[in-house]
Amino acid sequence: DTGVSQDPRHKITKRGQNVTFRCDPISEHNRLYWYRQTLGQGPEFLTYFQNEAQLEKSRLLSDRFSAERPKGSFSTLEIQRTEQGDSAMYLCAAPIPGPTTANYGYTFGSGTRLTVV
Amino acid sequence: GDSVTQMEGPVTLSEEAFLTINCTYTATGYPSLFWYVQYPGEGLQLLLKATKADDKGSNKGFEATYRKETTSFHLEKGSVQVSDSAVYFCALYTGGFKTIFGAGTRLFVKA
Repeated sequence: DTGVSQDPRHKITKRGQNVTFRCDPISEHNRLYWYRQTLGQGPEFLTYFQNEAQLEKSRLLSDRFSAERPKGSFSTLEIQRTEQGDSAMYLCAAPIPGPTTANYGYTFGSGTRLTVV
Repeated sequence: GDSVTQMEGPVTLSEEAFLTINCTYTATGYPSLFWYVQYPGEGLQLLLKATKADDKGSNKGFEATYRKETTSFHLEKGSVQVSDSAVYFCALYTGGFKTIFGAGTRLFVKA
């Protein structure tokens, strides 16, 4: 139990189709992050939510990508008109709580592996 | 900009060997430093962290010391096990909204 649940674990889609991924933090977190990890690389930041507000988006997040976090609980990441370059692992993360507002690290979900064929 | 550089893998060791995975960073300000581990088919797990110079993070026999003078945060373990086989990521956080990760170093431990 990582504290962050992601669904689906794997998704294979044809180029041009739309896909949606879901992230459920098991306990309440004000902040929620999406990262993308390609083969042989570390995770790259995509976007960040503070409650339901999307406060920051990476330049990696083209206009085909949209993320939401209604009610500040679960989050969804949608990719429209998928391209082969979108194939990656999409990771959701929540902050590890601590006694101050300092960064204590993240709890990551197991990720959704997207393959665009 | 801020960045993290890790030694390239894979690193292949025999069980009970000594492990070092090098990590150096470039950052403005005073970052917090982390090591994460990723087992096959899983997300990243926080292994250890250090928030200021000369701090030593430790967990599960792994250690790393925050060296500001050499901008390094090398990961070490005195005696590796087969179960330590995974990909290890060094990461830094300088404030704001994102953590920057290195490219990862794959470790294979042979029985």
